[in-house]
Amino acid sequence: QAGLTQPPSVSKDLRQTATLTCTGNSNNAGYQGAAWLQHHRGHPPKLLSDRNNNRPSGISERFSASRSGNTASLTITGLQPEDEADYYCSAWDSSLSAWVFGGGTKLTVL
Amino acid sequence: QVQLVQSGAEVKKPGASVKVSCKASGYTFSSYFIHWVRQAPGQGLEWMGVINPSGSSTTYSQKFQGRVTMTRDTSTSTVYMELGSLTSEDTAVYYCAREASAHDYWGQGTLVTVSS
Repeated sequence: QAGLTQPPSVSKDLRQTATLTCTGNSNNAGYQGAAWLQHHRGHPPKLLSDRNNNRPSGISERFSASRSGNTASLTITGLQPEDEADYYCSAWDSSLSAWVFGGGTKLTVL
Repeated sequence: QVQLVQSGAEVKKPGASVKVSCKASGYTFSSYFIHWVRQAPGQGLEWMGVINPSGSSTTYSQKFQGRVTMTRDTSTSTVYMELGSLTSEDTAVYYCAREASAHDYWGQGTLVTVSS
């Protein structure tokens, strides 16, 4: 199956740590890495980490990305109410010659 | 500062076409690819294609091949996305996004509603 796989939902308590995963293959996430986006409905997505796991200027250090093989991960520490959002991973797929997005993970902060 | 400003909401009838614009500012227009991504109600993000403003080469998602056209006007630093043969399934918010190792800047989104 082409594309990137993310768990549909994750729930964590306030101030806890959440780790979101994104599983692809050697043609996408395992090829040049995956980026992470945060999306609050009604607003455009916001880049949290690029394919090299670098945070853009202005993104909190509470967000950190990593990769192991074909799986990318986004760790969010010290969860805050404003972290409640949809999170998407994305990558260039060299076999499809297309960008692919994961299905998104809805993060709920309890 | 980098900005991508999109055109306003559109309402179209089935079978019609829609053309959405994305005006870039705050950076060298020809130096970064521009992607188009859409989100249908209740769905995730879906990549449609990309245009290289320098030379205007394009790559489209197979899903939209033959139905989408992306163009650019370097004199106004504007990229356009035209989608034809619209159906209700095309009702979505359409975004343009700049690529720099990832989609680092996004337009505000354009709601396209397809309804008879």
